[in-house]
Amino acid sequence: EVQLLESGGGLVQPGGSLRLSCAASGFTFGSYAMSWVRQAPGKGLEWVSSISGDGVKTYNADSLRGRFTISRDNSKNTLYLQTNSLRADDTAVYYCAKNDVATSLFDCWGQGTLVTVSS
Amino acid sequence: DIQMTQSPSSVSASVGDRVIITCRASQGISSWLVWYQQKPGKAPKLLIYAASSLQSGVPSRFSGSGSGTDFTLTISSLQPEDFATYYCQQANSFPLTFGPGTKVDIK
Repeated sequence: EVQLLESGGGLVQPGGSLRLSCAASGFTFGSYAMSWVRQAPGKGLEWVSSISGDGVKTYNADSLRGRFTISRDNSKNTLYLQTNSLRADDTAVYYCAKNDVATSLFDCWGQGTLVTVSS
Repeated sequence: DIQMTQSPSSVSASVGDRVIITCRASQGISSWLVWYQQKPGKAPKLLIYAASSLQSGVPSRFSGSGSGTDFTLTISSLQPEDFATYYCQQANSFPLTFGPGTKVDIK
């Protein structure tokens, strides 16, 4: 059974940083692209970033202006999102998602980790 | 960027009703359209991919159609467990974009 378990969320002050992690199991992690999608409270879904299975290619939402960096460690079956210069409008539940093979759709999602940016 | 719109933004329906949700892309995306269902406090769940292909385990009362810029999600006979918010997503090109969602609630 595919499982994705996010961690690393919490309360952070504006301008601060957090590293989110997503531990994957139940599939050959390095064979699949992975992504982060976020959802602000009471709002819709927003794609954040994706990374290829080998970690070579990354894609990011332009709105992030380089503040977030996606990475992965295939030896640890773990996906990461480094978030810097956090702002109040980054407050959201951050979901880790597994991409379907060779596509940009998400066939499995974690339960999410809440990031709250507030002073 | 490809903008996605959905209509209606919300719909009130009864068990057994047929519900149709539409999704429109600002430019052609062939059949690279995905539908998700999200219940309160839960992660989204993949329902339909490639515009009309049903994800494994999803009930057959869900169906999708369309190509190019106009797509529909149909629930043929609404069940109690179908009350949720539905999102479309274009998987054609980066940046990936979602529609704003359609909330289906109880009439």
